[in-house]
Amino acid sequence: DVKVTQSSRYLVKRTGEKVFLECVQDMDHENMFWYRQDPGLGLRLIYFSYDVKMKEKGDIPEGYSVSREKKERFSLILESASTNQTSMYLCASSSPDYTGTQYFGPGTRLLVL
Amino acid sequence: RKEVEQDPGPFNVPEGATVAFNCTYSNSASQSFFWYRQDCRKEPKLLMSVYSSGNEDGRFTAQLNRASQYISLLIRDSKLSDSATYLCVVIYSSYKLIFGSGTRLLVRP
Repeated sequence: DVKVTQSSRYLVKRTGEKVFLECVQDMDHENMFWYRQDPGLGLRLIYFSYDVKMKEKGDIPEGYSVSREKKERFSLILESASTNQTSMYLCASSSPDYTGTQYFGPGTRLLVL
Repeated sequence: RKEVEQDPGPFNVPEGATVAFNCTYSNSASQSFFWYRQDCRKEPKLLMSVYSSGNEDGRFTAQLNRASQYISLLIRDSKLSDSATYLCVVIYSSYKLIFGSGTRLLVRP
């Protein structure tokens, strides 16, 4: 059974803080993704990675960066948190042959004050 | 215009009812299509793929209409446990998935 875990379920941070969200998957998947989900907007892709040390911008990369030093781990970094980054953050992984079958972590609900 | 559009609902139906949702997409180059289910405060999970020839899995049937650029999900004999948000997903390239904002279904006793 695929398992994707995220470091925190809930986080409260202050404006300007640096925020790290970690995601770990145990299925040896090459592809990993970070999304944010907001009411009425659906899931929007922030960044994805198709291999260690490789990353590609998604639709809304501004204000975010990522790191993938190991295959199983994909980190999302908010360099200087802002209130408009308050959201639900979801990590996902997939194999390259079945990109449509994504396995999601439980999500991190981030509140930036 | 959004790339993938869904009626947000909620669709409020009694147990045992048949309910259908549609999802329209704007890019005719779309390659693959899926339905995901998301329970309240949970992560999305793959429900089923959508094939050109249609796809049935128990009470669930998914259809694709390329000419009109929409996909549909039909749920027969609705159960209380079917209450969730159903997300339409369209793939344009190897990595680019576009998620609809979801249709909420409420099944009442």
